[in-house]
Amino acid sequence: AQSVTQLGSHVSVSEGALVLLRCNYSSSVPPYLFWYVQYPNQGLQLLLKYTTGATLVKGINGFEAEFKKSETSFHLTKPSAHMSDAAEYFCAVRALQGAQKLVFGQGTRLTINP
Amino acid sequence: DGGITQSPKYLFRKEGQNVTLSCEQNLNHDAMYWYRQDPGQGLRLIYYSQIVNDFQKGDIAEGYSVSREKKESFPLTVTSAQKNPTAFYLCASSRPDRGLSEQYFGPGTRLTVT
Repeated sequence: AQSVTQLGSHVSVSEGALVLLRCNYSSSVPPYLFWYVQYPNQGLQLLLKYTTGATLVKGINGFEAEFKKSETSFHLTKPSAHMSDAAEYFCAVRALQGAQKLVFGQGTRLTINP
Repeated sequence: DGGITQSPKYLFRKEGQNVTLSCEQNLNHDAMYWYRQDPGQGLRLIYYSQIVNDFQKGDIAEGYSVSREKKESFPLTVTSAQKNPTAFYLCASSRPDRGLSEQYFGPGTRLTVT
């Protein structure tokens, strides 16, 4: 079975500062990993995903994440925060085989201070 | 433009009434999903369907029912048996599993039951 833990339900950074949102996963088989963003009262939008190959994955809006198998982590980063990055971010994992079910973390709400 | 439509955006019902949430997609995706989102709890899977006329229970199926008579449509009924139906409901879809597919989300329906 898969599970996801997002460390920190709320992260606050200053505009222009580094954004780091943490995600650790548990999976008995090689995982697929995803980061989604959600703006208030909207659906989820895919930021980036890791399936196979390069462990550093680049996504939209300047975000990237690195798959570290030894640490079972998939942390999301952005070098310089922008006010428009304020949103809720979800990390998700799914198994390589079987049903395409995603297991989501609890979410991290990112606040950007001017 | 292809996408997922959920209607209505906001829905209000009295306790004891069944209510059906609509989800339509024109992405030609085989798989469709329903999630429930509550503050601080991330997304939890209610039901999913990998093909027309077939669906499986997710993690929190009690008090909900679905049908999948057409590829494009996956309506969710919240029955009076659901003890705490007030929540934000998200529908998603994905392509057949080639190992790379992510889920695409609709804009959501916020259901309030009083």
